[in-house]
Amino acid sequence: DAGITQSPRHKVTETGTPVTLRCHQTENHRYMYWYRQDPGHGLRLIHYSYGVKDTDKGEVSDGYSVSRSKTEDFLLTLESATSSQTSVYFCAISEYISGVNEQFFGPGTRLTVL
Amino acid sequence: RKEVEQDPGPFNVPEGATVAFNCTYSNSASQSFFWYRQDCRKEPKLLMSVYSSGNEDGRFTAQLNRASQYISLLIRDSKLSDSATYLCVVNVNQFYFGTGTSLTVIP
Repeated sequence: DAGITQSPRHKVTETGTPVTLRCHQTENHRYMYWYRQDPGHGLRLIHYSYGVKDTDKGEVSDGYSVSRSKTEDFLLTLESATSSQTSVYFCAISEYISGVNEQFFGPGTRLTVL
Repeated sequence: RKEVEQDPGPFNVPEGATVAFNCTYSNSASQSFFWYRQDCRKEPKLLMSVYSSGNEDGRFTAQLNRASQYISLLIRDSKLSDSATYLCVVNVNQFYFGTGTSLTVIP
């Protein structure tokens, strides 16, 4: 158990509304990630963070922003939600185990944009 | 071209069968390799890392062929509880995920 929680676990919202998803970890991991998972696609990286206030874009970052003001929290914001952002969102951390950088995931947030 | 490609299946096998999944990756600079398991409506969970010399964990054996750029996962003596989607993952500066191979083990 990597000590990762996500909130909310489920959310239904309307097009055009802002949405913030929260990822919380308890083990002081430096690296945190946000992915989305859609049918026919593997998990795709939205944004990642390599420390407090240090973030960078992934391959599908358009329409998303992130913030990391504390080590334990990584927030994903959809400024104006669209139906194409209906997805399952997973937060992850990574850590080196026996010299290999491994990733561990939170339970996910199911977001529906109507 | 996708970084990681997998046969989506589905694979439907009887209990006790041996099943193998393959995965190819496109970047020869890839540094580390993994198999994850994902149950329906759950998060991916690390099944095993894949090492150059191959590695085994109980009924599961993973192999890496760098020359051909593919990774395999062999499951022996399949159990009902092995039913899941298996994701191939490659790390080259970031983690790249295949779309997964669906396995159903039938009684």
